[in-house]
Amino acid sequence: AQSVAQPEDQVNVAEGNPLTVKCTYSVSGNPYLFWYVQYPNRGLQFLLKYITGDNLVKGSYGFEAEFNKSQTSFHLKKPSALVSDSALYFCATNSWGKLQFGAGTQVVVTP
Amino acid sequence: DGGITQSPKYLFRKEGQNVTLSCEQNLNHDAMYWYRQDPGQGLRLIYYSQIVNDFQKGDIAEGYSVSREKKESFPLTVTSAQKNPTAFYLCASSIGSPGSDTDTQYFGPGTRLTVL
Repeated sequence: AQSVAQPEDQVNVAEGNPLTVKCTYSVSGNPYLFWYVQYPNRGLQFLLKYITGDNLVKGSYGFEAEFNKSQTSFHLKKPSALVSDSALYFCATNSWGKLQFGAGTQVVVTP
Repeated sequence: DGGITQSPKYLFRKEGQNVTLSCEQNLNHDAMYWYRQDPGQGLRLIYYSQIVNDFQKGDIAEGYSVSREKKESFPLTVTSAQKNPTAFYLCASSIGSPGSDTDTQYFGPGTRLTVL
């Protein structure tokens, strides 16, 4: 079965520091991987996706993600975190049109 | 959230009642989805539809029903058979190339259902 895992329930970072949110995947065949962000009581907003090609994917709001096949990882990164980046982040993989989500990682950015 | 609307934003239901959640999109997407979100569990797929007048069960379809009479609309009914319906419900849509795993799904703002 296709799945993703987010090993951290919460990530705490000071504003201005680099932010990394971890995701590992278990996918047979070509992995299609997505990152979404959710602000309180809101729907999910698409950040970026990896389909094929360059292992570094750039997305919205200054986020990027690095696909690493040998480590089966797709970590989300931002060089300098903002307080407004505080939110719930989901990694997902798509299998036959059905997204399988990780449990989510709460990011807290402190001023 | 743009292009996908869900109503109402908050919904309260008495035990034994059926309720219907609305989802409308103006993105001309063929595929639509319903997810349920519970704290600490991520999102789970309830039903999905890749074309008008057709839909399939997701991972947790029991106690729910859907219809897809129009391309723009995919209402979800939470029936009295759903034992624990209190949750945040999210609708999504995508272009819907059949079997395409590269489609991006775009989400509505959600409906929070509470059973009293």
